[in-house]
Amino acid sequence: NAGVTQTPKFRVLKTGQSMTLLCAQDMNHEYMYWYRQDPGMGLRLIHYSVGEGTTAKGEVPDGYNVSRLKKQNFLLGLESAAPSQTSVYFCASTHRPTGGYTFGSGTRLTVV
Amino acid sequence: GDSVTQMEGPVTLSEEAFLTINCTYTATGYPSLFWYVQYPGEGLQLLLKATKADDKGSNKGFEATYRKETTSFHLEKGSVQVSDSAVYFCASPHTGGGADGLTFGKGTHLIIQP
Repeated sequence: NAGVTQTPKFRVLKTGQSMTLLCAQDMNHEYMYWYRQDPGMGLRLIHYSVGEGTTAKGEVPDGYNVSRLKKQNFLLGLESAAPSQTSVYFCASTHRPTGGYTFGSGTRLTVV
Repeated sequence: GDSVTQMEGPVTLSEEAFLTINCTYTATGYPSLFWYVQYPGEGLQLLLKATKADDKGSNKGFEATYRKETTSFHLEKGSVQVSDSAVYFCASPHTGGGADGLTFGKGTHLIIQP
């Protein structure tokens, strides 16, 4: 019963460094999403995927890239981290968008 | 795209009090509506949902009715407990069927005092 697993759980980066956040789901879900959560801003959609091999931009895609090479994995990349990308990142997946999402427990990223 | 507005907190109540958290939405058509709950240090969990007008979603003593006349989906609970302390988010699909993501309200922090 793993559900949606995010790694790492915590990370501190220096400005300009790169990293990849991994999201893995074991529920055979087609749809996967990356959100960021900031105080007073709620959750904002970064990128999403409607199936293996597909990706699309969300509300705040700048500075991020994604890949969905395997159905179960959705990777979020930061090529050159900036302090404005300090946030908590959540991955979510679903079989049917009208059925509700399953969220991971989040990655807390600090860029100094 | 659609948008969601919910009351901002924090909302502080005593145990066994009645809870209402307001949520209104703007949308084309009649999208599914959701309430999610986030406990400290955790991800969001689906609390309840309603897929069409006049539907009532319910779970763990919480209820919300999809009211198209007032474009609202207010969350209610008759008697709150300390364990209900969390952040609650109202959400609707960004557009149409929702494949392009959910739009979330900014969240309401609920604090229940013993």
